[in-house]
Order: sequence, then C-alpha cells, then structure tokens
Amino acid sequence: GESVGLHLPTLSVQEGDNSIINCAYSNSASDYFIWYKQESGKGPQFIIDIRSNMDKRQGQRVTVLLNKTVKHLSLQIAATQPGDSAVYFCAEILNSGGYQKVTFGTGTKLQVIP
Amino acid sequence: EPEVTQTPSHQVTQMGQEVILRCVPISNHLYFYWYRQILGQKVEFLVSFYNNEISEKSEIFDDQFSVERPDGSNFTLKIRSTKLEDSAMYFCASRTTMGAADTQYFGPGTRLTVL
Repeated sequence: GESVGLHLPTLSVQEGDNSIINCAYSNSASDYFIWYKQESGKGPQFIIDIRSNMDKRQGQRVTVLLNKTVKHLSLQIAATQPGDSAVYFCAEILNSGGYQKVTFGTGTKLQVIP
Repeated sequence: EPEVTQTPSHQVTQMGQEVILRCVPISNHLYFYWYRQILGQKVEFLVSFYNNEISEKSEIFDDQFSVERPDGSNFTLKIRSTKLEDSAMYFCASRTTMGAADTQYFGPGTRLTVL
C-alpha cells in the first residue's frame, strides 16, 4: 500500500514566549524518558532526560514534567528563540538486563516567529 | 566534545545493490544502535549491538540487514539487496555504561536513496 508521511502537529510561538510541547507515552513500565530536538537534515540531539521516579527536571531554559498517572510528558522551553525551531520528540526507554528498548514519539514541529 | 560520526552523508544506489553504512561511535561507548527514519515519519529502532553481538532487533531488521564491528572503532550496517522502501535516513547511536548511562548519542545520519 501507499505510505503516507506523518502530518506533524505544529506549535507556533512568538520569540521570547514560553513553549510547551506534549507527548503521550505508551508503556507504564518505561524507566526513563528523553526529549530530542531534530533540525532539518540532522540527527536527533539530546535535550533533557528524566527518570521515571521523578516528576520534574530542569535544565538550562528547559523543564520536563512527567505525569505517570496519565502517561504524559511535557517539555517547556522558556524564552523561546529562533534557534529553537525544530521538530521535538520524546523517547521512552525500557531498560532490561543492560539492554534498552527505545520507542520514539511522532514529534511536534516548533516554529518560532521572530 | 566527542560525537558519533557517520559516512557517507548521502548514498545513492540501484535497487538490488548492496550498501554498507558506516558509523564511528564515541570511543568509550559500548552499546551501539541503528535507527532509520523514512521521510516525514518517526524514528524507528532497527538493532542494538553489545559485546560483539546483536542484543535486540526489530521486525524491520530482516535477513537483508546485518551489522558488524569490524575493528575497534567502526560499526557498520549492511543492506544486502536494497529495495525502494529502504530509502530513508539511517542514524547510528551509541551509549556508555558509565555516568549518564542511559542517553544515546546520535550521529548526523546517512541519507540512503534507492533508485
């Protein structure tokens, strides 16, 4: 059959505003979650991570919130800049015996309006 | 800062030909991965590799695919007889077992185009 590319949800924000990107994950047993940033034509770039025993973690201008009750993850970017424009996706990691099973979300396209 | 590198950046091949995609993981890393991303779609896991053997593979990673660590630095993905649907970006990733042991670091990718 014909494959159709994903239509990514897009979030448009004014430069300087805060951005919130959401992700729903599937496996309640996942140990660890990562947010990645992917610019056009490049590989995924690590932004921030959070372990399943935490509900919040802060980095430089970024905060990740984890709600295990509803299996929801969010990425907050403060004072969004044009260089933040990219596709953002979450990954859930299940560790088992030293090995990892990684499942990626579909992604959200962030457009920063100067 | 150490990084994962991949060559070539773009590979064009004819259907049915064999291709080898090359990766140099970060030097003290012990776990290695291949992923692919078809244009406009999400990243998909292909295979993980540790201690010179495959530790896990997905249903995508069929008999046409193989991986190898031929020396102490390279990690390769071979596709024996390429199909049109193999056209995608292929990402290599690696991780350590020390410190931030759970984070996989990705290379810039190889764009494979099968004609």
